[in-house]
Amino acid sequence: AQTVTQSQPEMSVQEAETVTLSCTYDTSESDYYLFWYKQPPSRQMILVIRQEAYKQQNATENRFSVNFQKAAKSFSLKISDSQLGDAAMYFCAYTNLYNNNDMRFGAGTRLTVKP
Amino acid sequence: AAGVIQSPRHLIKEKRETATLKCYPIPRHDTVYWYQQGPGQDPQFLISFYEKMQSDKGSIPDRFSAQQFSDYHSELNMSSLELGDSALYFCASSPPVGTQYFGPGTRLTVL
Repeated sequence: AQTVTQSQPEMSVQEAETVTLSCTYDTSESDYYLFWYKQPPSRQMILVIRQEAYKQQNATENRFSVNFQKAAKSFSLKISDSQLGDAAMYFCAYTNLYNNNDMRFGAGTRLTVKP
Repeated sequence: AAGVIQSPRHLIKEKRETATLKCYPIPRHDTVYWYQQGPGQDPQFLISFYEKMQSDKGSIPDRFSAQQFSDYHSELNMSSLELGDSALYFCASSPPVGTQYFGPGTRLTVL
């Protein structure tokens, strides 16, 4: 079974600074997707960034980028120039590339942004 | 851009009652997923449908059932509600292979 581990229950960052959220996963598959979802106080699940395992290049979306280390099964999220609106719960998630049916989530990391 | 629509957004029920949650996927998405998120928990996969057929089943109680209709919308039916069913229920949709996009969720409170 695939598992996703987020070892940081809470993180804090000063506004305008950079923070990295950690995620590791366990799978025997070679093709899969990894995601970071943001869940603000409204509780909506918002897709932040996606990484296909077959792509060596790390995904980037504006201030959000990932460090994908396939051999180490590590998938960290870097938020640059942190903004107050980035404060939320962040979930790392895994799904098989050809069977999207069972997305596994980590326990989440609560990010606080200090003004 | 169109997003996943869920209704109702909030629902309050008594124990042993029945609830029906509805999900309208993003246009041209033919796969729907249901998740349950308890307080302080990560979302847990319940069930999914592809082209109106159940495609996978997770930790869905026997008291719950779901289906996908010809217009691709899906309904989650929950019977004999228990206090522990109080949670946020998410629907997500995707094309057959692709990113799941989540709806805003339905908050169910069982009293």
